[in-house]
Parts: sequence; structure tokens; C-alpha cells
Amino acid sequence: KAGVTQTPRYLIKTRGQQVTLSCSPISGHRSVSWYQQTPGQGLQFLFEYFSETQRNKGNFPGRFSGRQFSNSRSEMNVSTLELGDSALYLCASSSGGAGEQYFGPGTRLTVT
Amino acid sequence: QQQVKQSPQSLIVQKGGISIINCAYENTAFDYFPWYQQFPGKGPALLIAIRPDVSEKKEGRFTISFNKSAKQFSLHIMDSQPGDSATYFCAASFLSGGYNKLIFGAGTRLAVHP
Repeated sequence: KAGVTQTPRYLIKTRGQQVTLSCSPISGHRSVSWYQQTPGQGLQFLFEYFSETQRNKGNFPGRFSGRQFSNSRSEMNVSTLELGDSALYLCASSSGGAGEQYFGPGTRLTVT
Repeated sequence: QQQVKQSPQSLIVQKGGISIINCAYENTAFDYFPWYQQFPGKGPALLIAIRPDVSEKKEGRFTISFNKSAKQFSLHIMDSQPGDSATYFCAASFLSGGYNKLIFGAGTRLAVHP
């Protein structure tokens, strides 16, 4: 099976802009979770989508949002970018119930 | 109460030695404890995981030891190899709650010297 794929892999944006990141889960997986990884804060949970519904949400401002499509692919959107949003954004998929999560390679976002 | 504390921050081990990374948690509702390995430029890869009804789980050179009463768990890497040099993260989650929210430790950067 193909693994989790994320596009784009690298992105440079300017403060105030918005960005959309995409994640395709492992075939058959219905749960997609998003995490932010930074040197200072480590790996932090953003949100999880299951069957097109947000099932869990982390402690991030409303500028961070996401959605999931009927084919389980997910997108994450960050509006009004701030310098502190520079991070590696990781997507993880799992088969459905809570359990093993498999991560993609991430999207490296740099905000200038 | 949802924190997972990981130590040490960095670790240097000689080839063939044993690498030990420790984690501690507060919330007794956690019921799933995975370890992830991350190489530079890559996403974390699931290494091994344990449930609290088991005190030890071994997969190849990797072993998780779990102490429920102490609320601690650790990763042992036997016969450490230079290829094991990576950052290791412990994590905890509420499996029975249906939550796919992993709470990660801060990570341990392991260097295995030849």
C-alpha cells in the first residue's frame, strides 16, 4: 500500500497570506489527523477528521481549519499567516477507530 | 495533566550498546503508548506501541517496558547501531475513547557512534 502523501512538500508564504495543505491518507483509512511540529513546541495536535467530520480539536486559534472529503483526503487551511506559523505540518492516517497512526513526510511551511 | 515528559533530551551511545529513553505521564486515562522514530526530513514512523495491560513488549531490538503504578514507560534499543541515530518520541493517547489525539513527549535525539 502507498503511504500517506502530503502536498506540497515545501511552501514559502508572506505574513498575512493564507495557505492550504493537502493530505492523502493510506487507502482504506478513514481518519486523518494533523500535527504541527516546531523546535520550540514539539509535536502538537491540531485536529482530527473522521468520515468528513471533525472529531477532535487541539488548542490552536480559529485561523487553523480543516476539512475532509468523501474519499478521506483532507486539507488544512491557515489564514492570516504569522511568522510563528512556520513549522513542519504533519498529517497522519489511521484505519478508523483510535489506534496506530501513520505519518506522511510533512509540509515545511516558512512564513516570511 | 495531559503532558508526557520525556528524558533525556539527547543521548550518545556506542555501537552495540543499549539505548534507554524514559517517559512519564500523569493522566491515568491514557491507554495507548506508542513510540515513534523520526529521521531528518521525514515524518515520524511508528516503531512499537503498548497497552497498559502489558508490562513489556518486544519487537526485534526494540522493547517497551511499562510501569503502570509509576506511570512510566521506557524504550530500550538493544545492540544499538549507527542507523538507529534519529529522534525518538514517546506518545500517549486515549484509545478506548475513540480519540486519535496523540500527546507527544519532547523527543530524544539519539546518536550511536561507531
